[in-house]
Amino acid sequence: QKEVEQNSGPLSVPEGAIASLNCTYSDRGSQSFFWYRQYSGKSPELIMFIYSNGDKEDGRFTAQLNKASQYVSLLIRDSQPSDSATYLCAVNDAGNNRKLIWGLGTSLAVNP
Amino acid sequence: DAGITQSPRHKVTETGTPVTLRCHQTENHRYMYWYRQDPGHGLRLIHYSYGVKDTDKGEVSDGYSVSRSKTEDFLLTLESATSSQTSVYFCAISDGRDNQPQHFGDGTRLSIL
Repeated sequence: QKEVEQNSGPLSVPEGAIASLNCTYSDRGSQSFFWYRQYSGKSPELIMFIYSNGDKEDGRFTAQLNKASQYVSLLIRDSQPSDSATYLCAVNDAGNNRKLIWGLGTSLAVNP
Repeated sequence: DAGITQSPRHKVTETGTPVTLRCHQTENHRYMYWYRQDPGHGLRLIHYSYGVKDTDKGEVSDGYSVSRSKTEDFLLTLESATSSQTSVYFCAISDGRDNQPQHFGDGTRLSIL
């Protein structure tokens, strides 16, 4: 059974702090990794993707990938109340890379 | 935003009735997906399509059927709805190239009484 695991949270951080969200995956052949943000009652929205080991930065967001440890993380710098949402981690299914394996998500609350 | 329209956005129906949800895209993407999302279960793939008339099952396909007669439209049908199919249904699309992300429609909230 291929799995993606995330801490369900809630993760609570003060405004302006760094929020760190983590994800581990079981499919060693996975090659692409995605972070989606989902506000309550809304659909998932892609915010970051990463394919190579190391860091990828986009504005206040940094994705970090370590394939040897099967670990991917998302850092949100200068967290804002508008970042409060559930963050979903998804990785491609190595057996069919048009399919994604989804984590259950981590709930983030940024407190003013 | 990706041009994805789901209809209806909300529906309430009774057990045993047929229900069809529609996903329409204007991106000319090859791949289309139907998911359901439930508390404690996350996003679960129902069916997906990799081209006109080409579909395959996901992990929770029992009780659902799909059709894709045009690139832009992907229909999900519940032949005889049950209360366990009460959920939020999302359509997603992808251009089908290796390692590309999926983009989601706004969802359909379906309640079966």
